[in-house]
Amino acid sequence: ETGVTQTPRHLVMGMTNKKSLKCEQHLGHNAMYWYKQSAKKPLELMFVYNFKEQTENNSVPSRFSPECPNSSHLFLHLHTLQPEDSALYLCASSQDPLDATSYEQYFGPGTRLTVT
Amino acid sequence: GENVEQHPSTLSVQEGDSAVIKCTYSDSASNYFPWYKQELGKRPQLIIDIRSNVGEKKDQRIAVTLNKTAKHFSLHITETQPEDSAVYFCASNTGGFKTIFGAGTRLFVKA
Repeated sequence: ETGVTQTPRHLVMGMTNKKSLKCEQHLGHNAMYWYKQSAKKPLELMFVYNFKEQTENNSVPSRFSPECPNSSHLFLHLHTLQPEDSALYLCASSQDPLDATSYEQYFGPGTRLTVT
Repeated sequence: GENVEQHPSTLSVQEGDSAVIKCTYSDSASNYFPWYKQELGKRPQLIIDIRSNVGEKKDQRIAVTLNKTAKHFSLHITETQPEDSAVYFCASNTGGFKTIFGAGTRLFVKA
């Protein structure tokens, strides 16, 4: 598959579980993002990585832990989540956020997370 | 903090009519304003964008306008079609890593 892929597409986990979300981009982009999408709320930026370095951490609780081993892969490690963390988690990538000609973000299909 | 207000939250129009979605941003340093369309069950995709040095941009049936003084920007869809039904998000960016999204407008186009 081309573009931005995410696995799993659906995840149900208990509050004591540990799981990881995976994102992979096949576009040669330098920046990758995690967003949380809840019903009737704006897309919330969680983390940004540029050239594997974290550049933004939008006051996200420590139960969410990102990892970016290289420019093509991004993980979101989850542990001891709360029911209010249930949402669609979207990954995105962009070519170079500091280049004015390439701000467009390309989104993955998302992981629908349910915390029970 | 920075935020983007988007209105209306829901919009229902008859096929062939026009639809207008309005957004207001707070950060005067914002210089890039994209619009994303998210169809049901699908990922958001960029449909049009505008930069702060331009007041209006058009692409076939969609157009965006920007009023920097008032910090307003709008999306206009003319001759709406059922396939335009989706959630539309406006956003603003100051030219870096952080894009601030509006809450979205759910557009229904009735055939």
